[in-house]
Amino acid sequence: AQKVTQAQTEISVVEKEDVTLDCVYETRDTTYYLFWYKQPPSGELVFLIRRNSFDEQNEISGRYSWNFQKSTSSFNFTITASQVVDSAVYFCALSVTSYDKVIFGPGTSLSVIP
Amino acid sequence: DVKVTQSSRYLVKRTGEKVFLECVQDMDHENMFWYRQDPGLGLRLIYFSYDVKMKEKGDIPEGYSVSREKKERFSLILESASTNQTSMYLCASSQRLSGGRANVLTFGAGSRLTVL
Repeated sequence: AQKVTQAQTEISVVEKEDVTLDCVYETRDTTYYLFWYKQPPSGELVFLIRRNSFDEQNEISGRYSWNFQKSTSSFNFTITASQVVDSAVYFCALSVTSYDKVIFGPGTSLSVIP
Repeated sequence: DVKVTQSSRYLVKRTGEKVFLECVQDMDHENMFWYRQDPGLGLRLIYFSYDVKMKEKGDIPEGYSVSREKKERFSLILESASTNQTSMYLCASSQRLSGGRANVLTFGAGSRLTVL
């Protein structure tokens, strides 16, 4: 069975602090995709990144970076120098081969305090 | 600009009523999904469809059915609404990649359903 765990339910940081959101996944498939989505207070989920299981290179996009480690089945997301606009719920997700299913974790609610 | 449109943003229904939630995408995507979002539980997959007239059960299909008569439209049906179906319902679509894995999901704005 496939599963995505986000152990941090809620995180609060002060603006300009760095913050890491954890994601641990379970799957027996050897080929899969991992995703991060952001849900701002307005409600509509927005895609942030996709990573396939064969590419363990870390990725950086502006203040965002992602650390994918197959050895620990983790795909963690770091925001550097957080801003109030980063306040949102962040979801990690897994796409496996069976019938195109996309499985989401429970989400981490991030609050960035000015 | 690509879009997934959900017909109703807010609905209030009574227990036992039949409820239709409509979703339309304009991206010619093969896959369409219905998720339910509840606090502390994240997004749970109700049903998905990988082709016209095809449907697959997700993790929580009980009490729901779906219809996909056209590629662009995926409807979620609550045959007899109950209070425990009060929730936010999210529709999404994606391309299908080689090997069957779903590509990036594009989400609609959501439909918040309250069942009294």
